[in-house]
Amino acid sequence: EVQLVESGGGLVQPGRSLRLSCTASGFTFGDHPMSWVRQAPGKGLEWVGFIRSKTYGGTTEYAASVKGRFTISRDDSKSIAYLQMNSLKTEDTAVYFCTRVGIYYYDSSGYWTPLDYWGQGTLVTVSS
Amino acid sequence: DIQMTQSPSSLSASVGDRVSITCRASQSIRTYLNWYQQKPGKAPNLLIYGASSLQRGVPSRFSGSGSGTDFTLTISSLQPEDFATYYCQQSYIIPYIFGQGTKLEIK
Repeated sequence: EVQLVESGGGLVQPGRSLRLSCTASGFTFGDHPMSWVRQAPGKGLEWVGFIRSKTYGGTTEYAASVKGRFTISRDDSKSIAYLQMNSLKTEDTAVYFCTRVGIYYYDSSGYWTPLDYWGQGTLVTVSS
Repeated sequence: DIQMTQSPSSLSASVGDRVSITCRASQSIRTYLNWYQQKPGKAPNLLIYGASSLQRGVPSRFSGSGSGTDFTLTISSLQPEDFATYYCQQSYIIPYIFGQGTKLEIK
């Protein structure tokens, strides 16, 4: 059974840093990209970014709203994905979800990449 | 960035009704369109990927259609557990934007 468990959320002051962790189990972690999605209170879903598997260089992509402040990394030996958040702003207050990026082939080389498993989320509150 | 627009933003319906939610992309995303269901206080759940492929374990009353810029999620016969918020998401061009959501409520 695939499980994703986030940790590290909490209350932090504006301008400070916080690191979230996502511990995965039930699948071969290194084979999958991993993504983070957030949801501000009472609002919709916002894609934060993702990290590719080491097979594809382990490179990262980010939403414009967090680029330069947030960093996603992974430790395949521990099956953990991280979200390092620096220079936090009040508008970063949200529940942060860790997600597995699925790989679903539709032909010999093309594939879709939906977010097929989600953690329960961890709340980050940025406030003085 | 590609913009994703869902309609309606909210919808009232009754158990047994057939309902459809649409999602429009600001440019072609081929079939790189996903649908998620979210219940209050819970993480989203993947329903449909590739515009029309049903995720394993999802009831067959859910279906998706479309390609290019226009997509539809249809629930053939609403069940009590289907009242939730639904989001589309494109996974064709980074950033992988979500639609604003459609809240499906009991009439």
